[in-house]
Amino acid sequence: QVQLQESGPGLVKPAETLSLTCTVSGGSVTRDYWNWIRQPAGGQLEWIGRIYSTATTNYNPSLKSRVTMSLDTSKNQFSLRLSAVTPADAALYYCARGHYDVMTGYYINSWGPGTVVTVSS
Amino acid sequence: QSALSQPASVSGSPGQSITISCSGTSGDVGGYNYVSWYQQNPGKAPKLLIYKVSDRPSGVPDRFSGSKSGTTASLTISGLQAEDEADYYCCSFTSISTLVFGGGTKVTVL
Repeated sequence: QVQLQESGPGLVKPAETLSLTCTVSGGSVTRDYWNWIRQPAGGQLEWIGRIYSTATTNYNPSLKSRVTMSLDTSKNQFSLRLSAVTPADAALYYCARGHYDVMTGYYINSWGPGTVVTVSS
Repeated sequence: QSALSQPASVSGSPGQSITISCSGTSGDVGGYNYVSWYQQNPGKAPKLLIYKVSDRPSGVPDRFSGSKSGTTASLTISGLQAEDEADYYCCSFTSISTLVFGGGTKVTVL
């Protein structure tokens, strides 16, 4: 069973870049889609984007200008960079595995426990 | 992309049935059968309940069911139980190959 674990700084200064890494075990980042999703405290889920094994990416249009995702197949990890952060970017950030095929469609079937990111000087 | 529209809260007594709606557009819910539903308990990551509108992963009780009509998807919980008290989110694939979530619905078991 695949397991995901987020890691990265819990505190980022305004205008700086948030960087998070997700380590995957029990599965390979060379298969499936790898997503970042965030949730402000007491708030709703927001999909940030996904990366496929070919390094193809899709991003939320509202964040697209600030988001970069990448894969490191040698470490079985994928990463998120979000630039020019503001307090509105403070949230619980989840990494998650997405599955797609024509028969089942696309859905998220595994989640990491999440990591809290605070934006403050 | 705008979040899908869900009621903020729904409540019911044990044993009753409740339905949570999820309203979108022709560019998401109405255009694809790629609607999924997630249950989130406090302090926990979401858990997949339904995929492809109405399919259940193994281990999800059959009292959870999904459907779709036009641009609105629905999750029905039959025989409501105390353990079903949680937040529920719908999610849809979109015409620009992104995902969009609903605003979430808090289910209260009276």
